[in-house]
Amino acid sequence: QKEVEQNSGPLSVPEGAIASLNCTYSDRGSQSFFWYRQYSGKSPELIMSIYSNGDKEDGRFTAQLNKASQYVSLLIRDSQPSDSATYLCAVNQGAQKLVFGQGTRLTINP
Amino acid sequence: EPEVTQTPSHQVTQMGQEVILRCVPISNHLYFYWYRQILGQKVEFLVSFYNNEISEKSEIFDDQFSVERPDGSNFTLKIRSTKLEDSAMYFCASSHGGLGAEQYFGPGTRLTVT
Repeated sequence: QKEVEQNSGPLSVPEGAIASLNCTYSDRGSQSFFWYRQYSGKSPELIMSIYSNGDKEDGRFTAQLNKASQYVSLLIRDSQPSDSATYLCAVNQGAQKLVFGQGTRLTINP
Repeated sequence: EPEVTQTPSHQVTQMGQEVILRCVPISNHLYFYWYRQILGQKVEFLVSFYNNEISEKSEIFDDQFSVERPDGSNFTLKIRSTKLEDSAMYFCASSHGGLGAEQYFGPGTRLTVT
């Protein structure tokens, strides 16, 4: 199976700073990319989707995609303690299947 | 805001027993999915379902697993003879479209096999 790789962290960021989360994927044919947030013991919650190279902004979140480098990232501006969670990168493979990375655990320190 | 719901939230069963996990997808969504997450591990795809048939399934989804849409709202996952290694969180998801569409997850059912 084609893989999705993330640094498992933990990533510790001070409140108000920018958190940067990275993901690489191996299937060059992938076209759809997603970031989910997962609080401990909860289900994945969709934050962003991105389909084209470049940046996509939604509030404090910016997703970046570089298909040539097979790289997706998520920036969180003005990080808040409530942003502390595990962030999952997911890549669409096949017709509908999402392949998830291991997730990066993010901690925002007040 | 519409959301995916799942019941029960926690199911405890003995090895070898059958379990049925239930999901109500978002009402205007057409594609339905099951994923599972073993504690501390990645979220793994099990199966996708569209137009009353399986459209894709993973290697995990063997003959012990089946899915069904018994009526216009419910979507179920049945495990015929549970094994210890089936213990996991099972998430149902749904999407409006197919290829590349955003998938929205339910709260999950924690299955514990003893």
